[in-house]
Amino acid sequence: GESVGLHLPTLSVQEGDNSIINCAYSNSASDYFIWYKQESGKGPQFIIDIRSNMDKRQGQRVTVLLNKTVKHLSLQIAATQPGDSAVYFCAENEISNFGNEKLTFGTGTRLTIIP
Amino acid sequence: DTGVSQDPRHKITKRGQNVTFRCDPISEHNRLYWYRQTLGQGPEFLTYFQNEAQLEKSRLLSDRFSAERPKGSFSTLEIQRTEQGDSAMYLCASSLGAGIYNEQFFGPGTRLTVL
Repeated sequence: GESVGLHLPTLSVQEGDNSIINCAYSNSASDYFIWYKQESGKGPQFIIDIRSNMDKRQGQRVTVLLNKTVKHLSLQIAATQPGDSAVYFCAENEISNFGNEKLTFGTGTRLTIIP
Repeated sequence: DTGVSQDPRHKITKRGQNVTFRCDPISEHNRLYWYRQTLGQGPEFLTYFQNEAQLEKSRLLSDRFSAERPKGSFSTLEIQRTEQGDSAMYLCASSLGAGIYNEQFFGPGTRLTVL
């Protein structure tokens, strides 16, 4: 990968505070978006998803907001805990030239919770 | 632990050697995906299977890469004549049912280092 990819956007948040992680997606035809959490040494873990016919979806302590007009996705984590420290990726679906669907992941944001 | 296992977890090889990685998906999952992840980047889709059928392989990085899922259960990813640029984490994911809307469960990955 390019060296710029080594410098992940980072976000540091005090434990107990709320955090917001942002993502810009590229394909206006995408109709499904997912947030993943990846801890060191592990594979990505599904957090929450949203379809393009919605602009907000809530889970346990997490909320995803979708703004299709500006192709922007955000993940809000409420009352952050030390276990929330990880790299967070947004992903969008993409239909290939062969008609098959695949996920395209963004670069990621490293979230650090300060005790 | 998501239930998806990968073997080996780490592989160090010399340039020019062939390597093979194995993925065991969650047993009832009929879809299996392979991704590559380089440092600081999100996972990059490589290929996927619906049972034993490989439905998308145009994203395999070169003809040195090949994948199989002969019985619709475990899958292997082979890289022939490895190059230093192949050094990365190789992730496997599985999902139940067809379609991109079914949650993908990721394994822990195989970290490849090519010397």
